[in-house]
Amino acid sequence: AQSVTQPDIHITVSEGASLELRCNYSYGATPYLFWYVQSPGQGLQLLLKYFSGDTLVQGIKGFEAEFKRSQSSFNLRKPSVHWSDAAEYFCAVGASYGNKLVFGAGTILRVKS
Amino acid sequence: NAGVMQNPRHLVRRRGQEARLRCSPMKGHSHVYWYRQLPEEGLKFMVYLQKENIIDESGMPKERFSAEFPKEGPSILRIQQVVRGDSAAYFCASSPGPSFEQYFGPGTRLTVT
Repeated sequence: AQSVTQPDIHITVSEGASLELRCNYSYGATPYLFWYVQSPGQGLQLLLKYFSGDTLVQGIKGFEAEFKRSQSSFNLRKPSVHWSDAAEYFCAVGASYGNKLVFGAGTILRVKS
Repeated sequence: NAGVMQNPRHLVRRRGQEARLRCSPMKGHSHVYWYRQLPEEGLKFMVYLQKENIIDESGMPKERFSAEFPKEGPSILRIQQVVRGDSAAYFCASSPGPSFEQYFGPGTRLTVT
């Protein structure tokens, strides 16, 4: 069965610093991969997705992610973090049956000024 | 175009009562997915419905939980005889067809006292 691991439960970065959030997945075929962001008390907003093609994917709010098949990873990056980026970030993979998404446990990002 | 609507946003029920959560998909979307987010965990798939059909209910608890998506009206997630362990955020997502690219609502936060 598919699974997603986000190794970091919490990450704190200074405003203006770069960010990388890690995501590893378990899936036999070429995966459909997603990053979502959830602000406190809110729903999930899609940041970016990877289905095929170019392994470096650009998303909204200045985020990007790189698919690395050899490492089964899909890490999220941002060159310069803003205080408004503080939120919880979820990586997800599309399961092989039924169009359901399998989510990681999430990484809480704190931004210090 | 309005997004996915969920109501109520917050619901408090006493143990043993019934909880009804409603989800109105985006206009033109006929596929609905329900996910549950337990405290400090990622989202877990519950059920996937198309109008008048349950496509995949592999994530639904065997007892007390049911879901429907009638020809007219919103999708309903129903929890009978709620227990404290049902306290969670319940998210609905929709898509125009079978797809991993799902649009999420703001969620219903259920508290069982």
